[in-house]
Amino acid sequence: GAVVSQHPSRVICKSGTSVKIECRSLDFQATTMFWYRQFPKQSLMLMATSNEGSKATYEQGVEKDKFLINHASLTLSTLTVTSAHPEDSSFYICSARRSGGSATDTQYFGPGTRLTVL
Amino acid sequence: DAKTTQPPSMDCAEGRAANLPCNHSTISGNEYVYWYRQIHSQGPQYIIHGLKNNETNEMASLIITEDRKSSTLILPHATLRDTAVYYCIVRWNTDKLIFGTGTRLQVFP
Repeated sequence: GAVVSQHPSRVICKSGTSVKIECRSLDFQATTMFWYRQFPKQSLMLMATSNEGSKATYEQGVEKDKFLINHASLTLSTLTVTSAHPEDSSFYICSARRSGGSATDTQYFGPGTRLTVL
Repeated sequence: DAKTTQPPSMDCAEGRAANLPCNHSTISGNEYVYWYRQIHSQGPQYIIHGLKNNETNEMASLIITEDRKSSTLILPHATLRDTAVYYCIVRWNTDKLIFGTGTRLQVFP
């Protein structure tokens, strides 16, 4: 299967600082990437859809000014958690869909980034 | 909201077949059934997907009922490494994958 990486795998930051998480598709081009958040013992919650060269589409209830998404190339999307607070501590996971396919093409997930805000 | 219903947990003996059911009674004609699994503290892993016909790959088999209102994921010879949360997802006619609560499969020796 296709490979998606995330960096960093773990990050600890102080309250009020910003944290950037990178998501890369290593062996394919991804027009569309997705960002999820997962709290302990809960399922994945879709936060936003990231489209290369255009603005991200956020799910209801997700603050676009707090979770900044940039998809500047076909292999890289970034999620920046601005002014992080302890309640933002979570497991952040991205996924990528191969370019040129149909909407039902398989999505491949990254390994996740564990964010802890002190 | 997720359009699927799965049992919260199941056990399976190592070496035996694990049969994970999923109910998707409101599935529409063009929607696919996808299965992913998530091992603890990792990203979800794609397993298999299908529309109408049964599907098989190196990981698992997917059996979809004729009326498409339910399906079963079969791991033919479960190992301890198959312990994970398994998600059955009905794919909307968009890109989104909406995760439900899944089935926590515990494979025991």
